[in-house]
Amino acid sequence: GAVVSQHPSRVICKSGTSVKIECRSLDFQATTMFWYRQFPKQSLMLMATSNEGSKATYEQGVEKDKFLINHASLTLSTLTVTSAHPEDSSFYICSAWPAAGPNYGYTFGSGTRLTVV
Amino acid sequence: AQKITQTQPGMFVQEKEAVTLDCTYDTSDPSYGLFWYKQPSSGEMIFLIYQGSYDQQNATEGRYSLNFQKARKSANLVISASQLGDSAMYFCAMGVGTSYGKLTFGQGTILTVHP
Repeated sequence: GAVVSQHPSRVICKSGTSVKIECRSLDFQATTMFWYRQFPKQSLMLMATSNEGSKATYEQGVEKDKFLINHASLTLSTLTVTSAHPEDSSFYICSAWPAAGPNYGYTFGSGTRLTVV
Repeated sequence: AQKITQTQPGMFVQEKEAVTLDCTYDTSDPSYGLFWYKQPSSGEMIFLIYQGSYDQQNATEGRYSLNFQKARKSANLVISASQLGDSAMYFCAMGVGTSYGKLTFGQGTILTVHP
């Protein structure tokens, strides 16, 4: 089935530094990827929609200069958290449109737990 | 705008019993899809079941079934014969339009299965 590989699974970084998270579709082409953020025991909140070869569409309230999304190929989308601060500590997870159809569900990466110290 | 509501922050069930997790939705688009996901403590999102707005029959996948009541705009998840491994957070989500696009998630329900 469709697999999305997300790396790293866990990262700790110092305040002020940048962190890049990668999501790679392994056996299908993902023209669209969705990036979510999740705080403990809360729901997934959509941050942005990335489309291969074009600029990402950000949800209201999400700082596009802080959360840089690049979808340069049909199999790779990246989220870079720039100048990270402790409040950016969260669980970030990507998702791709179900290549095999909705009966197989949207495919999610395994998530990245970001801790900014 | 679409909205998904899960009103049960937490649910408890005895092992081997059935449990229903509630989900109501709101959208003005006649074409939409409803999805249920399980999220264990590891954080991964595990797809459970899908129901399309035009599907005539309720979806079933093994021990999971979706009680789709279109007029009431509800899409409850029924888990039969609960297992200890079913303990997790469960999310209801909706995509709208002909190609669904982004998913909107409910608040989630934490299910705890007791032995």
